[in-house]
Amino acid sequence: GNSVTQMEGPVTLSEEAFLTINCTYTATGYPSLFWYVQYPGEGLQLLLKATKADDKGSNKGFEATYRKETTSFHLEKGSVQVSDSAVYFCARQRGVYNQGGKLIFGQGTELSVKP
Amino acid sequence: NAGVTQTPKFRVLKTGQSMTLLCAQDMNHEYMYWYRQDPGMGLRLIHYSVGEGTTAKGEVPDGYNVSRLKKQNFLLGLESAAPSQTSVYFCASSYSGSGNEQFFGPGTRLTVL
Repeated sequence: GNSVTQMEGPVTLSEEAFLTINCTYTATGYPSLFWYVQYPGEGLQLLLKATKADDKGSNKGFEATYRKETTSFHLEKGSVQVSDSAVYFCARQRGVYNQGGKLIFGQGTELSVKP
Repeated sequence: NAGVTQTPKFRVLKTGQSMTLLCAQDMNHEYMYWYRQDPGMGLRLIHYSVGEGTTAKGEVPDGYNVSRLKKQNFLLGLESAAPSQTSVYFCASSYSGSGNEQFFGPGTRLTVL
């Protein structure tokens, strides 16, 4: 089965609300972890990443911390904007060692931010 | 620098028809990937390549073939399309090495009737 699990969407928030999208993973060792974002009608683009335990990735006001104790990589943002409406994907490197750079993706969480 | 491009953007096929999706990248990346995206299932890897002339199977390779004759191009073929192959297809590329970002193309929406 899929070894990356995200909270189900859609998530609907008002502008300036606090956002958390949960992501947990199963893995042997400590693979690199990623959050990708997909805006409507576009391909995925990297939002942030963390390559080792306790690292914090951050970009555009979003943050996620690599927590090996809870095998989690939750995405947070303090104040969302309408322009953050998109689908967010959590992903992990397929193997601890380089195996062709393959990623395993969660199922995606749709975020809708209302004015 | 166009990044990763895909052609075509949209296509409708009848069951049994064949087609080829083209992916091109201008970043000199070693690794390239083909994914399909279906509702509620995230992205699933079809095939990938770790260098020119090499290909390997991903999670869902059945019904697809690929070729990487040139480093910058990665082709995905459907020999005999089936309705179950209706999906959005994404190509991606990355530098070699672990932990590296994958860069995605804009996608191809394929419908098989």
